[in-house]
Amino acid sequence: GNSVTQMEGPVTLSEEAFLTINCTYTATGYPSLFWYVQYPGEGLQLLLKATKADDKGSNKGFEATYRKETTSFHLEKGSVQVSDSAVYFCAQGGSEKLVFGKGTKLTVNP
Amino acid sequence: DAGVIQSPRHEVTEMGQEVTLRCKPISGHDYLFWYRQTMMRGLELLIYFNNNVPIDDSGMPEDRFSAKMPNASFSTLKIQPSEPRDSAVYFCASSSAGFPRGEQYFGPGTRLTVT
Repeated sequence: GNSVTQMEGPVTLSEEAFLTINCTYTATGYPSLFWYVQYPGEGLQLLLKATKADDKGSNKGFEATYRKETTSFHLEKGSVQVSDSAVYFCAQGGSEKLVFGKGTKLTVNP
Repeated sequence: DAGVIQSPRHEVTEMGQEVTLRCKPISGHDYLFWYRQTMMRGLELLIYFNNNVPIDDSGMPEDRFSAKMPNASFSTLKIQPSEPRDSAVYFCASSSAGFPRGEQYFGPGTRLTVT
């Protein structure tokens, strides 16, 4: 069945460090891919998305590129801030529902 | 635009009591999803509706859980009787078939504690 695997956390970085959170998926067909972010005490918010191969989603300095050949959608940011501390979820959607990864907790220290 | 609205935001109840969680989806959305989040199990899809009809309830843990959607603007998730292992954050989300496939908008969640 469809699944999403993302790197285990937690991840701890210093402010202005480079961030990569790996995400790979298995799917029949060509799903849409998403990154959601959950700040402490809040619901999930859509961070970025890509709907077809080679699409790049971007938002708030974060980027992810839909790579069909490697079935990946890695999240990157060139310079993280303390305010980026949150849990990040990779997800795929092929029809009606989303399949989520387990989440990666990011802590950014000043 | 108002987002997905959930109530209550926090609920503390005793084991054996009935608990009802409420959700108002974004107007115009025709899909509604109920999720449960715990540290141990992560984010789990419990059930989802399309046009007020339950489509997939395979994630509902047991018969103590039930969900309804009497109209396009309201859904409930009920637990009767509640147990301590039901303690979790319950999220409601909605989406529209017109969006990129699967894009969902989440509510703030209801934190349930069963003592």
